[in-house]
Amino acid sequence: HEQLVQSGAEVKKPGASVIVSCQTSGYAFTAYYLHWVRLAPGQGLEWMGSINPHSGDTNFVPRFQGRVTVTRDTSITTAYMELRRLRFDDTAIYYCARDSGSFSRRFAFDVWGQGTVVTVS
Amino acid sequence: QSVMTQPPSMSGTPGQRVTISCSGSVSNLGTYTVNWYQHLPGTAPKLLIYGNDRRPSGAPDRFSGSKSGTSASLVISGLQSEDEADYYCAAWDDSLNGYVFGAGTKVNVL
Repeated sequence: HEQLVQSGAEVKKPGASVIVSCQTSGYAFTAYYLHWVRLAPGQGLEWMGSINPHSGDTNFVPRFQGRVTVTRDTSITTAYMELRRLRFDDTAIYYCARDSGSFSRRFAFDVWGQGTVVTVS
Repeated sequence: QSVMTQPPSMSGTPGQRVTISCSGSVSNLGTYTVNWYQHLPGTAPKLLIYGNDRRPSGAPDRFSGSKSGTSASLVISGLQSEDEADYYCAAWDDSLNGYVFGAGTKVNVL
């Protein structure tokens, strides 16, 4: 069955970088967009952006552009999200989530990773 | 502050019907379909409703969704204790050129 498994919790200092991995299984990796969503303490869910695993093309909201890079390794069906120049307010749970649309973005996220806690302190 | 407005919290007793509203604008709900997610703290969010009113497999049928103009609603018919969670509406927004979530509604089961 479809599954997304993320890397473990991270503690970073301000200005550092963090890489969160999202290992997928149980479905055709290149057929479904992957999205990144975060949940900061006391805040709501926030969509950061997405990657097309087939082409590698990415799309992020302006506030993260220049600080975030998402790549994928199709041989091991895994995506990676790197966030640079970390700030205190980047402390959050980061989720990867699969788009339910095949080769298109429906923005209905039907499979989620378990979340990765990133603490900037 | 989200561009889609939800009540911060709602309460109900078991068996009660609860309606969560989501108010947006032409640039989001007025143009695009709405999805609803349920989030229990400590777990991953779960897709409850997509495409305004469609339930994915596994979503209980006591959850239903609708949209009219720039507003959407999620109805829980027959509230259960396990429904105590945060609920988010979400849609694409042309003005922000991004996918946006409402601020979330915390549902408490009394």
